[in-house]
Amino acid sequence: DADVTQTPRNRITKTGKRIMLECSQTKGHDRMYWYRQDPGLGLRLIYYSFDVKDINKGEISDGYSVSRQAQAKFSLSLESAIPNQTALYFCATREGAESPLHFGNGTRLTVT
Amino acid sequence: AQSVTQLGSHVSVSEGALVLLRCNYSSSVPPYLFWYVQYPNQGLQLLLKYTSAATLVKGINGFEAEFKKSETSFHLTKPSAHMSDAAEYFCAVSKGGYQKVTFGTGTKLQVIP
Repeated sequence: DADVTQTPRNRITKTGKRIMLECSQTKGHDRMYWYRQDPGLGLRLIYYSFDVKDINKGEISDGYSVSRQAQAKFSLSLESAIPNQTALYFCATREGAESPLHFGNGTRLTVT
Repeated sequence: AQSVTQLGSHVSVSEGALVLLRCNYSSSVPPYLFWYVQYPNQGLQLLLKYTSAATLVKGINGFEAEFKKSETSFHLTKPSAHMSDAAEYFCAVSKGGYQKVTFGTGTKLQVIP
């Protein structure tokens, strides 16, 4: 089983719909992250969480919200999806400041 | 603020040739540096990391990178490219005490037979 699992793998939704992307991990890491990948732009940080009670905005948090339901679960929501939120979304975990990120396989979201 | 610049969004090399992917960072203090690889339809996996130990870091699949403080660079190299190296490569930086990891825009490596 994967250490970081994202569901769904692919999602097509319409403009204005609310959508939730889910992430769960078995690595036991406190730090969890949501990134968005767009061609030519690399990965940009949306939100990150140090623990269940500590959630922080990243560089592109507008239009997104998150919920850290437990140490192992970190969900990303689009309250009202718009076409420019079409992207590949990655969840990642990290053990500490010196540690690398561990990524899930991503969710490809298309907003029509 | 920390940032990462990867020169060249696309790099093509012949099979067996040297691979050189460039990464420069801006940081007021020595950061932690990482290289990741992304194969099509997959997530990112760690190639190697620099965390202030040896300046020459060896990673998986024959890749290595050298931390040069004077040049604020962390270029990725491999002596001989293999077809299986074709992928997108990302340089990333994290400064001590910060919990954010900032990525470069990526370099797609094409290996020509």
